[in-house]
Amino acid sequence: EAGVTQSPTHLIKPRGQQATLRCSPISGHTSVYWYQQALGLGLQFLLWYDEGEERNRGNFPPRFSGRQFPNYSSELNVNALELEDSALYLCATRAERGPNTGELFFGEGSRLTVL
Amino acid sequence: KNQVEQSPQSLIILEGKNCTLQCNYTVSPFSNLRWYKQDTGRGPVSLTIMTFSENTKSNGRYTATLDADTKQSSLHITASQLSDSASYICVVSAGNMLTFGGGTRLMVKP
Repeated sequence: EAGVTQSPTHLIKPRGQQATLRCSPISGHTSVYWYQQALGLGLQFLLWYDEGEERNRGNFPPRFSGRQFPNYSSELNVNALELEDSALYLCATRAERGPNTGELFFGEGSRLTVL
Repeated sequence: KNQVEQSPQSLIILEGKNCTLQCNYTVSPFSNLRWYKQDTGRGPVSLTIMTFSENTKSNGRYTATLDADTKQSSLHITASQLSDSASYICVVSAGNMLTFGGGTRLMVKP
């Protein structure tokens, strides 16, 4: 069974532009969480999607947005990029049934560098 | 406010030695507590998940304990290996809401 996949692995963008990151959940997982992890720091909660709806968002400005598609994959968009947006962006999906219900599975992340 | 505090922030030990990482939380209502291992630049990988009724859970050389009364958890690593060098993150759930600790960065030296 394929795990959580994220793309691209690495992304370099100039300041002021937009970045789009993608996440495909494990089959059967309907919840997708996005986190930002700046270098050397802990994970900061960005967004949570479930069944296509945004359920909660962290303390980030509106230029961080996203959506979840009918197949439960998700997209994170960061507009008007700033240097401090450089970070590892992690996607995680939840098991909603079975022996690992509630378990959170992470992708390998997308490394965004803003120049 | 839900909070998860981990200590120490960083730790250096010699290969073969044991170590214990701490996690204190003020999360309510408590659902479960997870420990994750995160190698540098990679996604976190689950080590253990503990519910309210579980006191101890082992996964190979990793043993997690939970004291729901004092709201404390520990992760004990036995006979450390160089590959144990990573960040260890404690995550506490209140329903669908997750609160992450800042992590403990462990370095195992030969």
